[in-house]
Amino acid sequence: ELKVEQNPLFLSMQEGKNYTIYCNYSTTSDRLYWYRQDPGKSLESLFVLLSNGAVKQEGRLMASLDTKARLSTLHITAAVHDLSATYFCAVGGTSYGKLTFGQGTILTVHP
Amino acid sequence: EAGVAQSPRYKIIEKRQSVAFWCNPISGHATLYWYQQILGQGPKLLIQFQNNGVVDDSQLPKDRFSAERLKGVDSTLKIQPAKLEDSAVYLCASSNPQTKLRGYEQYFGPGTRLTVT
Repeated sequence: ELKVEQNPLFLSMQEGKNYTIYCNYSTTSDRLYWYRQDPGKSLESLFVLLSNGAVKQEGRLMASLDTKARLSTLHITAAVHDLSATYFCAVGGTSYGKLTFGQGTILTVHP
Repeated sequence: EAGVAQSPRYKIIEKRQSVAFWCNPISGHATLYWYQQILGQGPKLLIQFQNNGVVDDSQLPKDRFSAERLKGVDSTLKIQPAKLEDSAVYLCASSNPQTKLRGYEQYFGPGTRLTVT
């Protein structure tokens, strides 16, 4: 059974600082996704990573995938308040479409 | 392009009552998913449809949950009878199986927040 673990689960950051969220998964996969969820809202797709060594960047967020280590990272550069949200990683299984989500990381950025 | 639509947005029922949720996926998306998201957790897949056939329902509590997608477009998820532990947000998502290069990316609807009292 595929298991996905994120850490940290809670992250309180100061504006302007850098930090990384880690996503570990238990079985082989070449599909990894990062989503953002604001309170009371649905999931917004941030990144889709489909191969070993894949790196994608959007604004202050950068995601990478190491399939050999079964690890993805979401790096936050110079955090701003607007990045406050819950971030989920999700891993694709062996069958098309099915995703297994991590527990989520609640990010709070304060002045 | 219109997104995934869901209704109702909120529902409060008493335990042992029944409830139904509706989802309309993005036009042309053959695959439809229902997820359950309990407060403080990540979404958990309940059922996956490909057109009007079930691909995966291994985590659907079939004694009380049912889902259908009769014409391969809209879908309904039903709970009967509801229990307190069914309180959650029910998310519908859809994807296009032709989008392998985008990893069969799933698009989520706004969800239905169910409270069972």
